[in-house]
Amino acid sequence: DQQVKQNSPSLSVQEGRISILNCDYTNSMFDYFLWYKKYPAEGPTFLISISSIKDKNEDGRFTVFLNKSAKHLSLHIVPSQPGDSAVYFCAASGRNSGYALNFGKGTSLLVTP
Amino acid sequence: KAGVTQTPRYLIKTRGQQVTLSCSPISGHRSVSWYQQTPGQGLQFLFEYFSETQRNKGNFPGRFSGRQFSNSRSEMNVSTLELGDSALYLCASSLDLAGDPEQFFGPGTRLTVL
Repeated sequence: DQQVKQNSPSLSVQEGRISILNCDYTNSMFDYFLWYKKYPAEGPTFLISISSIKDKNEDGRFTVFLNKSAKHLSLHIVPSQPGDSAVYFCAASGRNSGYALNFGKGTSLLVTP
Repeated sequence: KAGVTQTPRYLIKTRGQQVTLSCSPISGHRSVSWYQQTPGQGLQFLFEYFSETQRNKGNFPGRFSGRQFSNSRSEMNVSTLELGDSALYLCASSLDLAGDPEQFFGPGTRLTVL
């Protein structure tokens, strides 16, 4: 049972434009959300997180938005750069499940020059 | 500060064998979690160790086990390997998941079962 869903397997964006990656979750007990970036043959690299008490968190070019009522979060990358091309995973965790990460299947982002 | 390290990076085994994977967390991190990544199932949680105790466990058979040492280093063991165990095994460390849910991953061990 997939509790975290990333419905877009891939996304292509031009350099300099905004990349928006979306994620939906079904478990209302999740209270912490994270985004990871992954290159082939490497482990996921932590990008940014947000707790359920917030609706926005920014870190440089990366902003995560959380809409708890819709059980939806998104990652905005502005401006997008070719080096951002990678697979992005959304993950959610909650105290009731010991903060084990529940991952989406990932979105492959391609930023073209 | 050094990141999470995992050894070996690549491993080839045959069905029925057993395997042990090793993970050294970031210095000062006491929580170590293990995840399995496969093309079909994605990233799935195996178990978490904190202060040498298994604190949380995912939905994997008993063939998958682990342990943590007093220096927080962790090992994962898979016995009686099956073809379906071929995967990337990732270790992640955290200060303490309960207080700081951010987890930092190692490069993974690519296990191939023939």
